[in-house]
Amino acid sequence: DVKVTQSSRYLVKRTGEKVFLECVQDMDHENMFWYRQDPGLGLRLIYFSYDVKMKEKGDIPEGYSVSREKKERFSLILESASTNQTSMYLCAAAGIGNTEAFFGQGTRLTVV
Amino acid sequence: GENVEQHPSTLSVQEGDSAVIKCTYSDSASNYFPWYKQELGKGPQLIIDIRSNVGEKKDQRIAVTLNKTAKHFSLHITETQPEDSAVYFCAASNFAQGGSEKLVFGKGTKLTVNP
Repeated sequence: DVKVTQSSRYLVKRTGEKVFLECVQDMDHENMFWYRQDPGLGLRLIYFSYDVKMKEKGDIPEGYSVSREKKERFSLILESASTNQTSMYLCAAAGIGNTEAFFGQGTRLTVV
Repeated sequence: GENVEQHPSTLSVQEGDSAVIKCTYSDSASNYFPWYKQELGKGPQLIIDIRSNVGEKKDQRIAVTLNKTAKHFSLHITETQPEDSAVYFCAASNFAQGGSEKLVFGKGTKLTVNP
């Protein structure tokens, strides 16, 4: 019954490393999202994609980039990880027409 | 862009009481308002949603109301149970022609139901 899968539950990286967070969905949905969740700040949108190779910046895109080469896969890239990017990262997928967004389990990233 | 404010940030109720969580949004073009529940260690999960052409929607113990004029919507949980304890998020989205649907969330409400 898995719908959205994130490649890692926990990840520890060093400052300056290039980090890839992978997300795969099996629902053939057009929209995919990357959020960052921090205590007291809720879910903040980093980037979203509404089609293959299409992307739009969310509210906090600085320090991040994304890639969507295939419909089912949406990758979040931290070009040069910093300690302030230590957080829980959540991926979601949704169909068009404001349908339910399905979330992955999240990746807890620690940058040391 | 859209901004969603959610209150309160924490809410503690006795089992059997009602709980109300309120959200306001800034973009009058928003037309879809879902509510998500996040249990510990899990991703958020949709519990109910409402579209801008409807004023109220109910699903068993959960109801959502929408006031488009005031740009606010609320989640109502009646007869609360301990398993309702979780973090609840409201969100707003604007389905525009062309497929770009940006889903913006509030900061969340931690609900605790005391037995």
